[in-house]
This record gives sequence, structure tokens and C-alpha cells, in this order.
Amino acid sequence: QIHLVESGGGVVQPGRSLRLSCVASGFTFSSYTLHWVRQAPGKGLEWVALISYDGSNKYYGDSVKGRFTISRDNSRNTLYLRMSSLRFEDTAVYYCARGGGGNQVADYWGQGALLTVSS
Amino acid sequence: QSALTQPASVSGSPGQSITISCTGTSSDVGGYTYVTWYQQHPGKAPRFMIYDVNKRPLGVSNRFSGSKSGNTATLTISGLQAEDEADYYCTSYTSSSTWVFGGGTKLTV
Repeated sequence: QIHLVESGGGVVQPGRSLRLSCVASGFTFSSYTLHWVRQAPGKGLEWVALISYDGSNKYYGDSVKGRFTISRDNSRNTLYLRMSSLRFEDTAVYYCARGGGGNQVADYWGQGALLTVSS
Repeated sequence: QSALTQPASVSGSPGQSITISCTGTSSDVGGYTYVTWYQQHPGKAPRFMIYDVNKRPLGVSNRFSGSKSGNTATLTISGLQAEDEADYYCTSYTSSSTWVFGGGTKLTV
């Protein structure tokens, strides 16, 4: 059974940094593209970033480009999202997802980790 | 990258059919066959419902179907059931090798 479990969320002040982790199981982690998607409270889904199966290709949404860094450790079945220069508007539930659908679209999702940016 | 455009809400009675539109541009919806639809119940993670415009993953009811014409994709749900009440999101691959979501549609049954 496929599982993705996010961790590392919490409350952080504006301008600070935080790293989210996502541990996956139930599939061959190193064969799949992975995504981060976020959802602000009461709002819709926003695509954040993706990383190719081997980490060689990374793409970011415009709102996080230059501030967030996606990475992975295939030996640990773990996906990361390093978030810097955090803003109030980064407050959201952050989901990691496997890119197993057509053209590596997100198919299986974790339950999410809540990040709150507050002073 | 601008969000895809979805109606904020749609409604239907049990047994009826509804459609939810998802409008983008030639740089996303219109340019690729990579439109995906998700269902999200309150407090839950999104569920993968339709991919590649009109394909259903294993386990998804055939009451859910997708189509596309030009820059607009459409999700159709037939034989509405109470459990279909949820938020629905479309997403599309883009010419920048990124993904963009629609704003979401609240379905009331």
C-alpha cells in the first residue's frame, strides 16, 4: 500500500526558514517524480514544485521560485522542501504527492503538514 | 502562471448529471492532453479521479468522465450521489514544464 507522510510543519516567524520532509513507502521511490502542493486555509490547491526521479530536474511555481528548494534522498525514500524567507501568505497545508499519473501528474497524496507563518 | 478558471459552485439532485468546466489557455489546457481532476472532501487529501483528460484510475466509478475542447476541459458526473458532494479541482501541465490548478468548484448534491 502506498503511503506518503509529511512532517516538519509548525509555526514560524516571517523571514525565517523551515524544512518539510515526506517519507514514502509502498512503491519504488527512486522511479518517480514527486510534487509539493499547498492549500492555504479555506482556499484552493496551489502547485509548488516538482523534482524528477533522479533529482536532476526541478521546477517551481512562480510564488515560491527563488525562496523554496525541493530535494530528495532516494536512499532514505524521503522528499524535502526547504522554505526560506517565509511570508504570511505561505501559511498552508503542504502536501507531498507521487507523480505516477499521466506525464507524472500527482496521483497518491500524503495527508499534509500545516505550516503557519506568524509573528 | 495564472490559475485555470472553474465555476465556484455547481449543484444537482441525486441521480442527475452535472458538468464542471476548467478553462485555460493554449499554453496549458489547450496545448496538452494532460488535464487531471481531483476530488477533495473537507479535511482530506485530494483524490485522483481523472487523468490525461478522460482516463479513470482503477477504483474510480465510471460515473466520472472527462473531456476537452480547445482550451476548456470538462468533468462530468452522472447519477449524482450524496457522497459526490465535495470540492473538485482541475490541473494541467503547462508549456513551462510546471503544473497549474484551477480555483476549485464546490459541488452540492
